[in-house]
Amino acid sequence: ETGVTQSPTHLIKTRGQQVTLRCSSQSGHNTVSWYQQALGQGPQFIFQYYREEENGRGNFPPRFSGLQFPNYSSELNVNALELDDSALYLCASGKQGARETQYFGPGTRLLVL
Amino acid sequence: QQQVKQSPQSLIVQKGGISIINCAYENTAFDYFPWYQQFPGKGPALLIAIRPDVSEKKEGRFTISFNKSAKQFSLHIMDSQPGDSATYFCAASSAGGGADGLTFGKGTHLIIQP
Repeated sequence: ETGVTQSPTHLIKTRGQQVTLRCSSQSGHNTVSWYQQALGQGPQFIFQYYREEENGRGNFPPRFSGLQFPNYSSELNVNALELDDSALYLCASGKQGARETQYFGPGTRLLVL
Repeated sequence: QQQVKQSPQSLIVQKGGISIINCAYENTAFDYFPWYQQFPGKGPALLIAIRPDVSEKKEGRFTISFNKSAKQFSLHIMDSQPGDSATYFCAASSAGGGADGLTFGKGTHLIIQP
């Protein structure tokens, strides 16, 4: 088991609503990345935070936003939810510049109706 | 545009056999190639990773073979066991840009039959 935790484990929302997902990083890690994993697909990189700023982003629209806090915990916010946002959202913490240290949490399963 | 192509989608291997999963990439800036194992209800866990300056890396029963000129890499699982049954993802990333975002393949569902 990694030291990365995520909450909640499952969530159901309605199209158009907003959602906030939370991640607690492993001790000693200073980066946090978020990924979206649709059913039967590989994870897709949403963005990464380092020193409380976004320092890289995948091909996701601005309605996907995030925060990293001084204790390295993180939030993923998604506005104006769409049906296609239904997926497993994974958080990964790591050390900047040491890619082999990225550890994933168990994920939050989001269902948009 | 899918930058990392993984095959096969699913694979059934007898216990004790060799499981082989292949990946091909397009972006020549990629310089880190990990393999992840994912069990149902869990996040992906790093199995083994390789950088392009070596052609092979072995850790226990897991071996990565890397062919830089062909832009291909593969995972070999020797003496496959039922506990290896899981979904396997290859991935790649490049060091530039500051972020360490991984580009994943679509995954291979591996079943080891007892």
